[in-house]
Amino acid sequence: DGGITQSPKYLFRKEGQNVTLSCEQNLNHDAMYWYRQDPGQGLRLIYYSQIVNDFQKGDIAEGYSVSREKKESFPLTVTSAQKNPTAFYLCASSPTEGTEAFFGQGTRLTVV
Amino acid sequence: SQQGEEDPQALSIQEGENATMNCSYKTSINNLQWYRQNSGRGLVHLILIRSNEREKHSGRLRVTLDTSKKSSSLLITASRAADTASYFCAPAGAGRRALTFGSGTRLQVQP
Repeated sequence: DGGITQSPKYLFRKEGQNVTLSCEQNLNHDAMYWYRQDPGQGLRLIYYSQIVNDFQKGDIAEGYSVSREKKESFPLTVTSAQKNPTAFYLCASSPTEGTEAFFGQGTRLTVV
Repeated sequence: SQQGEEDPQALSIQEGENATMNCSYKTSINNLQWYRQNSGRGLVHLILIRSNEREKHSGRLRVTLDTSKKSSSLLITASRAADTASYFCAPAGAGRRALTFGSGTRLQVQP
């Protein structure tokens, strides 16, 4: 089946640790995105990538890093510099920018 | 900012009634998209309306777009309890390459 997969579904992190969230798509989409959602809030854009080996900061990139070495994969690292990382993280992909986006089921990150 | 702002923030209706939610935006667009999010899940694309279209239908969904007022509306007819979710609009324009979202409208359909 074609789709976009995020893993893990739940993730716990100790303060001061880096953690990487996985996002894989087999839709052959060029564009991929990472969003953060806090309880009862909308989505805020962290990073996005329009093509392999290229990515741009979104509205809240501080404390996060990404890579896009393969078309299918766009992992997000939450670094220790992110002071309030507890949130729901959503990955999405689209054929090109501004077209219909397909979302993964999300990763809920909790700092313990 | 290209993100849309949905209104109202929350809406509660009875099953069988129609639900209308609105979206306003500030920049020129190529298209505007509506998405739905069930609690704790990812967003699902509902419908896309292009800037040269004024109205579009998909099943029980009806979307209108008024580019002169920079606004759109989503109408869900004959609502069902399963329509309970948050709904987001996403204006897409040439100036910003990633979709951005507002806070959404939380729709509660009472059975």
